[in-house]
Amino acid sequence: RKEVEQDPGPFNVPEGATVAFNCTYSNSASQSFFWYRQDCRKEPKLLMSVYSSGNEDGRFTAQLNRASQYISLLIRDSKLSDSATYLCVVNKGDSNYQLIWGAGTKLIIKP
Amino acid sequence: EPEVTQTPSHQVTQMGQEVILRCVPISNHLYFYWYRQILGQKVEFLVSFYNNEISEKSEIFDDQFSVERPDGSNFTLKIRSTKLEDSAMYFCASSEEAFFGQGTRLTVV
Repeated sequence: RKEVEQDPGPFNVPEGATVAFNCTYSNSASQSFFWYRQDCRKEPKLLMSVYSSGNEDGRFTAQLNRASQYISLLIRDSKLSDSATYLCVVNKGDSNYQLIWGAGTKLIIKP
Repeated sequence: EPEVTQTPSHQVTQMGQEVILRCVPISNHLYFYWYRQILGQKVEFLVSFYNNEISEKSEIFDDQFSVERPDGSNFTLKIRSTKLEDSAMYFCASSEEAFFGQGTRLTVV
């Protein structure tokens, strides 16, 4: 099983729709979880951290399910500018410093 | 907004040469990282640096690589005897949540 696994997509979604991504992780000792977005040939940018209780930032909602070892990202009212690759990131279980990155899910918002 | 700055943005080097990639992290951050991303592949952790020493490194970070913080602000990644497969984007990041610089595209020819 991969350390962090994501559906590579692409997800082709009409503007205004709601889209959800899941990500699974293999190390039950992981404590820190993040979603990043990466535009083509650009650096990853932190979208949001994921907390145990779930958290929301505007149109974006992140959830953590420790029992099943997955995290999710929900994007509501999607906009053309949401088109990007979304990276699921988890800290290596026995490490505070080392982040393990998923390969990303590509999202394409169509007008 | 404070940002991580990397130079150069693009470096082309001949196989076997040494390169130094430079980063200026966000000034009040304590943790610094180097990552690389081969074109079309996922981001890979190379090394973390705290209190002027390496705190962790990955299997990729072998004797070919070294990091320094020579003057308390710049944070450098040195790659010795570059190979074709070292061609990638190299990202510097600071803090635990990893605020990234814009990266250096290294092309080894």
